[in-house]
Amino acid sequence: GNSVTQMEGPVTLSEEAFLTINCTYTATGYPSLFWYVQYPGEGLQLLLKATKADDKGSNKGFEATYRKETTSFHLEKGSVQVSDSAVYFCAGKGLRGGSNYKLTFGKGTLLTVNP
Amino acid sequence: DTAVSQTPKYLVTQMGNDKSIKCEQNLGHDTMYWYKQDSKKFLKIMFSYNNKELIINETVPNRFSPKSPDKAHLNLHINSLELGDSAVYFCASSQDPRPGPGNNEQFFGPGTRLTVL
Repeated sequence: GNSVTQMEGPVTLSEEAFLTINCTYTATGYPSLFWYVQYPGEGLQLLLKATKADDKGSNKGFEATYRKETTSFHLEKGSVQVSDSAVYFCAGKGLRGGSNYKLTFGKGTLLTVNP
Repeated sequence: DTAVSQTPKYLVTQMGNDKSIKCEQNLGHDTMYWYKQDSKKFLKIMFSYNNKELIINETVPNRFSPKSPDKAHLNLHINSLELGDSAVYFCASSQDPRPGPGNNEQFFGPGTRLTVL
């Protein structure tokens, strides 16, 4: 089965709303965790990452904390903008069913922010 | 200045044809990847090369054959195209070492939208 599970979209918010996109993982060891973002018509870009438990990744107002006890890496932003509209992918390396070399992606969550 | 470039950006072809997609990176990375993204945005790795050596080969039909003439290039050739091959194909590169783990960012190309009629 898939070793990264993220919240199914689509998610539609108004500008300045609070965003949470949930992501959980299954792993036998200590994976590295990532959030990638795909803007319309483009390839993926790294948004943030965390490589060990309790690490917090942050970038462009987005944050995610690597929580080993709940095997989660939820993405949050306090106040979204229209320009944040994109597909967000949670991903990991060293997950169950994967390998240390392969990046395994969740199914992606489409976020639409309305003015 | 494009870090990872792919050609063509769009490819429309008939079933049964053979086509190639090219990828080049100017980042000096050792590792390159091919991903397939379906219509539901699900992204799945197909192949990975490190210094021209194949290191990841997922369960992909053998109609798909990657070729890496040097570490800056990774091309994807597809024989006997089928309707189900329609997707967006992304090339990516990273500076991850072997055997890993490597936590470096993967840089993605803009994608090639393949439509098989």
